[in-house]
Amino acid sequence: DTAVSQTPKYLVTQMGNDKSIKCEQNLGHDTMYWYKQDSKKFLKIMFSYNNKELIINETVPNRFSPKSPDKAHLNLHINSLELGDSAVYFCASSQDPLSGRVGTQYFGPGTRLLVL
Amino acid sequence: QQQVKQSPQSLIVQKGGISIINCAYENTAFDYFPWYQQFPGKGPALLIAIRPDVSEKKEGRFTISFNKSAKQFSLHIMDSQPGDSATYFCAAVRGNAGNMLTFGGGTRLMVKP
Repeated sequence: DTAVSQTPKYLVTQMGNDKSIKCEQNLGHDTMYWYKQDSKKFLKIMFSYNNKELIINETVPNRFSPKSPDKAHLNLHINSLELGDSAVYFCASSQDPLSGRVGTQYFGPGTRLLVL
Repeated sequence: QQQVKQSPQSLIVQKGGISIINCAYENTAFDYFPWYQQFPGKGPALLIAIRPDVSEKKEGRFTISFNKSAKQFSLHIMDSQPGDSATYFCAAVRGNAGNMLTFGGGTRLMVKP
């Protein structure tokens, strides 16, 4: 039933580790996104994928690598985790914005990452 | 440099009162202005949105007022209810930039019973 789902919900790990967050949407959307919400609740776009192709990459360190195996999934892999990576990461999806229409973005429940 | 500025950071309103949250933007290329509502432990969810060719949009108790010349827009919540207590984010979108949401800093609203 969940439109946009993420796993895991919580992730606690040590500095220097590599971790992945998975996202799946069952809305039939063409475009998926990753956002980062910091401790002050500020939300910032990280990546946008349309039909498995990267269309936005907003000054994110290359330790972060999104992977889209198909248009319903967008995973986020993070290498060499740092303390500053601690945040809530949200996945979202929308209809194809490249068609000229602005689509409502539907957000997942978030993954709370804590780097110790 | 924050492209969308939101105020206040927090707001306390009595039940039945009007909640008003303001946003201002810099980039005139923005052409779509949504408001998102986020409850603790949940992802943001679209509340209401407006395009710059309209000065006001109302959906139930929620109204967006838009002033294109001033590059400002605001959310009014009429008859505020305790269930409206959440964090509200304004956002702006450039239609030719892949539907990317640029968010304001958020307003934490508490409606007291």
